[in-house]
Parts: sequence; structure tokens; C-alpha cells
Amino acid sequence: GQNIDQPTEMTATEGAIVQINCTYQTSGFNGLFWYQQHAGEAPTFLSYNVLDGLEEKGRFSSFLSRSKGYSYLLLKELQMKDSASYLCAVMDSNYQLIWGAGTKLIIKP
Amino acid sequence: GAVVSQHPSWVICKSGTSVKIECRSLDFQATTMFWYRQFPKQSLMLMATSNEGSKATYEQGVEKDKFLINHASLTLSTLTVTSAHPEDSSFYICSARGGTSLAETQYFGPGTRLLVL
Repeated sequence: GQNIDQPTEMTATEGAIVQINCTYQTSGFNGLFWYQQHAGEAPTFLSYNVLDGLEEKGRFSSFLSRSKGYSYLLLKELQMKDSASYLCAVMDSNYQLIWGAGTKLIIKP
Repeated sequence: GAVVSQHPSWVICKSGTSVKIECRSLDFQATTMFWYRQFPKQSLMLMATSNEGSKATYEQGVEKDKFLINHASLTLSTLTVTSAHPEDSSFYICSARGGTSLAETQYFGPGTRLLVL
């Protein structure tokens, strides 16, 4: 079956760096997405990786290793507003998005 | 760019009534739109995928006669929850994908909270 694994919850301190991991097993691969979802709101797009390596976008970076079925989202200089759930989603061979359950990130002052 | 709107943002209705939710892509043509449902503290659950001008494809376990989807144009899709019951109370979110590549990013609307009394 298809499976996306990410930690349920993580806690970090304001100003620090946090890495949210995502491992996947899917039938085929057409890219991996990271979305941010604040409580009570819809997800917003953060990043898309289809080739191995690191994609940097401001304070957020996303890494992909296709051979390991692994990705991480790196958040630097954490701010209180970064408290949210972070969703990892993989597009399979049928171009269907397979969603992880999300990682709730709690930022403490 | 890539803005998706949903209307209404909140709906409270009586059991047995029908509710229509609109999803619009404001600045791009959405060849494909997706409807999701999310219960509190749970992950997104895809309900159906709709392509403009064709019938929606429903996920297993989703009743197509209860959740009617119409994708009449490249910028508008509607979800109608027919004869709503309290167990249908949830957060309904649409997303839209434009372009010709199936790997295009999905952009989400702000969601609609439905409360059935």
C-alpha cells in the first residue's frame, strides 16, 4: 500500500531551527509537496521537490532523496507564526496526491 | 497569482436540507478541481476529483448521490451536500490545479465550515 510517515507533533523554540521529516512509500513518484496549515484554515503551498537535493525559499528549505524515499522541511529563525501543521504529500504514478497526517509544530517563546 | 476562493466560509443548516459550496479559481483556469473533507485534528481526506466538463471521480466510500459535484467551467466547481445530516458536519476544502501538466501544484481555497444541526 501507499504510505506517508511524518511525526505527529514537534516542539521548538522561537529563533531556533527545526527539521520535519517525511518518509514515503508510494506507487511511483511525480514529486513531493509541503503545505502549511494553520488551525482552522486551509493548507497553503510551501514547496515542491521532484529532483534530489535542497530547495531553499527564504526561511524554509525542503530536501528530497528519492532513493531513500525521504524528505525534510527545514524551518530557520522560527517565529511564533510558524506554529501550524505541516503536511507532506507525494504525487504518485497516477498523479494522485497521497497525504501524510501532518506534523503539528508548536513554537515556544 | 493562484488564488482560489470558496463561498460560503460558514454554513449552519438544519438536518435534511441541502447545502451548495462554490469553489472558484480567480486568476487561473483550473482544469482540475479537488474536494476534500477534514474532521478536527485529522488529515485531509480526498472526496472527489473533477475535470471541467466531465463527471467527477469519487473516492471509495464517498456517496456520489449525496455529494454532487459540478465543474461547469474552468473557474468554477460546486459541491452540493444533499439532505445533510449532523455527521456531515466538517471542514470542506477545495483545491484547484491549472496548466497542462498533471504534476502542477494544487492551490487550496480557504475552506467552508459546515455545521448541520
